Amino acid sequence: DVKVTQSSRYLVKRTGEKVFLECVQDMDHENMFWYRQDPGLGLRLIYFSYDVKMKEKGDIPEGYSVSREKKERFSLILESASTNQTSMYLCATGVNYGYTFGSGTRLTVV
Amino acid sequence: DQQVKQNSPSLSVQEGRISILNCDYTNSMFDYFLWYKKYPAEGPTFLISISSIKDKNEDGRFTVFLNKSAKHLSLHIVPSQPGDSAVYFCAASVEGGGNTPLVFGKGTRLSVIA
Repeated sequence: DVKVTQSSRYLVKRTGEKVFLECVQDMDHENMFWYRQDPGLGLRLIYFSYDVKMKEKGDIPEGYSVSREKKERFSLILESASTNQTSMYLCATGVNYGYTFGSGTRLTVV
Repeated sequence: DQQVKQNSPSLSVQEGRISILNCDYTNSMFDYFLWYKKYPAEGPTFLISISSIKDKNEDGRFTVFLNKSAKHLSLHIVPSQPGDSAVYFCAASVEGGGNTPLVFGKGTRLSVIA
């Protein structure tokens, strides 16, 4: 089974801090994705990557950046955290037949 | 513009009865559809899928129906159990779509009442 590990389950950060969310997958998938989930808004795609050092903007990339230095690791960076970035962040990997998601990181920005 | 729509934000069903969750899509290029289930504080997990060459796919208590002409799919859960209470996301893709990400609906929160 593909396993997707997100480094933190819960995080509390202050406004203006730089925040790193890490995601590691243990299979050889090329595609990796970052979503955020908010009540009433569903799963919204922030960024995705289909190869090392490649990245593509999703639907809501503003205020975020990503890093993919190794195939198994995909990092989401909040350059200067704001309260409207308080959310559940979900990493995923897979192909169009289905993704495997990590357990999520609940980020609170105060 | 939403390409995948789940028009019911929530649904409440009694234990033992049928739950029917609906999903509509607008992009006629979509040819593969999936349902995910999500519990609070966990990531979504894959539930069931269907290719556009079929109109029905069944897995235990879960059945997905696809009506291509209406661009509509539905997930039936029979019988519903309290453990089915979760948020259900519909997703769509183009099988030959290369790296094009899955498109998700906004989700329907199912509550199964004992």
